[in-house]
Amino acid sequence: EVQLVESGGGLVQPGRSLRLSCAASGFIFDDNAMHWVRQVPGKGLEWVSRISWDSGSIDYADSVKGRFTISRDNAKSSLSLQMNSLRVEDTALYYCAKEYYYDSSGWYFDHWGQGTLVTVSS
Amino acid sequence: DIQMTQSPSSLSASVGDRVTITCRASQSIISYLNWYQQKPGKAPKLLIYATSSLQSGVPSRFSGGGSGTDFTLTISSLQPEDFATYYCQQSFSTPPFTFGQGTKLEIK
Repeated sequence: EVQLVESGGGLVQPGRSLRLSCAASGFIFDDNAMHWVRQVPGKGLEWVSRISWDSGSIDYADSVKGRFTISRDNAKSSLSLQMNSLRVEDTALYYCAKEYYYDSSGWYFDHWGQGTLVTVSS
Repeated sequence: DIQMTQSPSSLSASVGDRVTITCRASQSIISYLNWYQQKPGKAPKLLIYATSSLQSGVPSRFSGGGSGTDFTLTISSLQPEDFATYYCQQSFSTPPFTFGQGTKLEIK
């Protein structure tokens, strides 16, 4: 059974940093790209970042570019998101999600974690 | 960037109703459109990928259609467990990996 378990969320002041982790199990971790997706409580889904299976390709949403860094450790089946210079508007539930890729433009998120809540407030 | 617009934003319906949610892309995404269902306090769950392919385990009352810029998610006969928020997502041109704003399906 695929499991994705996020951790590391919490309350942090604006301008400070936080590191999120996602522990993966039940699948061959280094076969898949991984993503972070966030959701402000009561609002919609916003994609944050993607990392390819080998960390060779990394993408960020414009809203977090230059502040957030995604990384992965395939030996430990773990995904991370280093969040620096946090803003109030970064407050959200952060999900890690596994990508399933089926052709050159065809992919979807086939498994999601339960999320970890980040609250940025003074 | 490709923008995804869902309509309606919310919808009230009764058990047994047939319901259709629409998703429009700002440019052609061919058939690279996915649908997710999210229930309160839960992570999203994949329902349909590639416009019309049902994810394993998803009931056959769910169906998807469309191509190019206009897509639909149809629930043929609403069940109590279907009341949730639905999101479309395009995978044709990324990044960004764009979601629609969501459609909240409520009980009438």
